[in-house]
Amino acid sequence: GQQVMQIPQYQHVQEGEDFTTYCNSSTTLSNIQWYKQRPGGHPVFLIQLVKSGEVKKQKRLTFQFGEAKKNSSLHITATQTTDVGTYFCAGPMGSGNKLVFGAGTILRVKS
Amino acid sequence: EPEVTQTPSHQVTQMGQEVILRCVPISNHLYFYWYRQILGQKVEFLVSFYNNEISEKSEIFDDQFSVERPDGSNFTLKIRSTKLEDSAMYFCASSVTGSHTDTQYFGPGTRLTVL
Repeated sequence: GQQVMQIPQYQHVQEGEDFTTYCNSSTTLSNIQWYKQRPGGHPVFLIQLVKSGEVKKQKRLTFQFGEAKKNSSLHITATQTTDVGTYFCAGPMGSGNKLVFGAGTILRVKS
Repeated sequence: EPEVTQTPSHQVTQMGQEVILRCVPISNHLYFYWYRQILGQKVEFLVSFYNNEISEKSEIFDDQFSVERPDGSNFTLKIRSTKLEDSAMYFCASSVTGSHTDTQYFGPGTRLTVL
């Protein structure tokens, strides 16, 4: 079936260090979406990438969509304690526009 | 800013009982979704709904599950006879259109605990 893989599962960094999570889809995606879920919270939409090779930035967050539209990455520069949470990538699939989520990367930041 | 709301925030039930989880999607949105997240796991799609019909459902969404839009604002998920493995966070989401490029906005979730 259609799958979205995400690595690493977990990353614990020192405040100020960088963080990257990688996402890979088994099929070509029309777009990829990134969500952040704080501990005990719900997924909150961060960004959507549509074009092949697209790069978007939100302050310290840089999102990339691969040329083949099957992989993506999220990079956080100089992490802060407010970055703590689980970062999910998700790809829309099927006629019902279901989002297929990656397993998520849990980010912990030591201050 | 408009938000998706869900009630209750936490539901505890005995195995075999029926539960109804309620959602109020954002008012001008036409497409509605239910997802679930078992503790520590990824978010999984259950069902999408448009124009009073199911658009797509996953393998998880078996005969024990049903969805309904009983009025102009609520969207409900019913589990007829709960099992222990139904314990999870259930998230409702909505979007304006069913386009793949349309953002889905998630509600805060209902934590369902089946004893």
